Parts: sequence; structure tokens; C-alpha cells
Amino acid sequence: SQTIHQWPATLVQPVGSPLSLECTVEGTSNPNLYWYRQAAGRGLQLLFYSVGIGQISSEVPQNLSASRPQDRQFILSSKKLLLSDSGFYLCAWITVLNTEAFFGQGTRLTVV
Amino acid sequence: AQSVAQPEDQVNVAEGNPLTVKCTYSVSGNPYLFWYVQYPNRGLQFLLKYITGDNLVKGSYGFEAEFNKSQTSFHLKKPSALVSDSALYFCAVRDPINTGGFKTIFGAGTRLFVKA
Repeated sequence: SQTIHQWPATLVQPVGSPLSLECTVEGTSNPNLYWYRQAAGRGLQLLFYSVGIGQISSEVPQNLSASRPQDRQFILSSKKLLLSDSGFYLCAWITVLNTEAFFGQGTRLTVV
Repeated sequence: AQSVAQPEDQVNVAEGNPLTVKCTYSVSGNPYLFWYVQYPNRGLQFLLKYITGDNLVKGSYGFEAEFNKSQTSFHLKKPSALVSDSALYFCAVRDPINTGGFKTIFGAGTRLFVKA
């Protein structure tokens, strides 16, 4: 069966430090992968999506970047974190037929 | 672009009573609609979806949703609420992207409180 792993679960980073969040998918190939951010326990904002290796689309201009070095790996990064980058980050995989999404457990990032 | 709206920030219901969480959509073409639930500090879990067929869709944990084309709505329902249903609920729609794939767009979420 397909599973999605996301780590770390929590992260506290100082302003100006770099960031790397990793997401991997098992049990499928060529998944469509997504990074969402959830602020204050409410709505999800789509940050990036990827339909294949090296293919990244950005939804909103921001301090973050994403990369897909392997088919089942999706990384969210920042060179210098801002306070406003704090939030709950969710990686998701949507099935080939583009129906339901499967989410990782999320990473709670606090920038101090 | 496709979108969904959840007009209620919060819904309060007593345990054992029926619950409804509202969602309206705006799409071009045939909608692919979804409901997800999120418990504290967790990722979202899929509840149910509407693609085609019967307007009443049954999903996990006794939830169901009714697709209403004339009202452009996809309300989530449950005949008898449980305290354990208390969570954050998201309506979502599939939105095509220019590379030929799709992305999922979520509503703002509705927090459901079920009181014992």
C-alpha cells in the first residue's frame, strides 16, 4: 500500500537559519506531490506542486523553495527563515487519477 | 479557477443530534469534490468524494455528503454526531493545472464541536 512520510514532526529554528523538510512516498511511482502550509490551525495554502522529477510549480511568491531530486522525494527549503515562515507544513500525494489526497503527518515549524 | 467556500468558521452540535457542515463550490465543468478531516497536529484524512453518479455520497465514520448542482453545494452530514467527531473539516475541489495534471484546492475549514 502507498504511504507518505514527512519529517521532522516539530522544528524550532532561529530567524535567518536554513530549512529543509523532507517528504517521501512509498508504494507508487510518478506521484503528484504537494506542499501546503496551514497557519493558525485553519485553511491550507498550496505552496508548491510537482508532477515529476525536477518539475516544480510555485503557487505564491515567498521565502521558500522546493525541489524534487527523486521520483518519490519532495523537499521544502529555505536559505534564511523569517518569523512569518512559522506554521504547520503538510506534504501530500494525490493519486494518479487525481482523486483523493494522502497527507503526511505534518511538520510544525516555529521560527524564533 | 475552481474554488470552494465554507461559510461557517465553527459548528456546534450536541452529541446524538444530526450535523451539517456546509460547502459551496465554483467550478467550470464537472466538479470533483472532497471532504477531509483533520485532528489536532495531524495531517488531513480523506472522508469522501463526489465525481459522478449518485448525489448522495457515503464515506468514512458514518459521514455522507449531498451534491446539489442547482445550489452548487456539497454539504457534509451525519445523522448522529459523536464527541469524537470534533475536529476541523475541509471541503476541497480538484483544479486542473496547465501541465495537464490537477491540484487540490481547500476551503478555509470549519471547526466542529460536538458537546456531550
